[in-house]
Amino acid sequence: AQKVTQAQTEISVVEKEDVTLDCVYETRDTTYYLFWYKQPPSGELVFLIRRNSFDEQNEISGRYSWNFQKSTSSFNFTITASQVVDSAVYFCALSAYNQGGKLIFGQGTELSVKP
Amino acid sequence: KAGVTQTPRYLIKTRGQQVTLSCSPISGHRSVSWYQQTPGQGLQFLFEYFSETQRNKGNFPGRFSGRQFSNSRSEMNVSTLELGDSALYLCASSLGPQEGDGQYFGPGTRLTVL
Repeated sequence: AQKVTQAQTEISVVEKEDVTLDCVYETRDTTYYLFWYKQPPSGELVFLIRRNSFDEQNEISGRYSWNFQKSTSSFNFTITASQVVDSAVYFCALSAYNQGGKLIFGQGTELSVKP
Repeated sequence: KAGVTQTPRYLIKTRGQQVTLSCSPISGHRSVSWYQQTPGQGLQFLFEYFSETQRNKGNFPGRFSGRQFSNSRSEMNVSTLELGDSALYLCASSLGPQEGDGQYFGPGTRLTVL
């Protein structure tokens, strides 16, 4: 069975702090994809990144970076120099082999960035 | 390019009624998936459609159904509404049904059942 765990329910930081959101996944498949989405108060899920199981290279996009480690089944997300606009709920998701578009989501981490 | 659109954005129904939600995918996207989001259960997969065929279905009762039209637009229907059906219903579109295709979500339809 596939499962995604985001152990941090809520995180509160002060603006300009760095923050890491943890994501641990479970799957028996060797081919799978991992995603991060951001859900601001408006409710729409915003796609942030997709990573396949064969690509363990870390990725950086502006203030965002992702660390994928198959050895620990983790796909962590770091925001550097956080800003108030980063306040949202962040979801990690898994798409397993031969499951098509079915995404399995973690419970989400609510990030609050205070000025 | 326009994003995923969902109508209506808000809906209030009473128990026992039925409801139909609509989703228009991004132009060129042929796969549409539906998710239910509640505070207690989080985001749960309902079903996925590609080329007018349901390819995958989540663990929901038969009261939840959907369909896809030839232009890739999709509708989902919930019959005999229950209080527990109150949720944010999110539609996502992708180019195709492959697991690696990025899914792009619409703003959702917030359904309240009284």
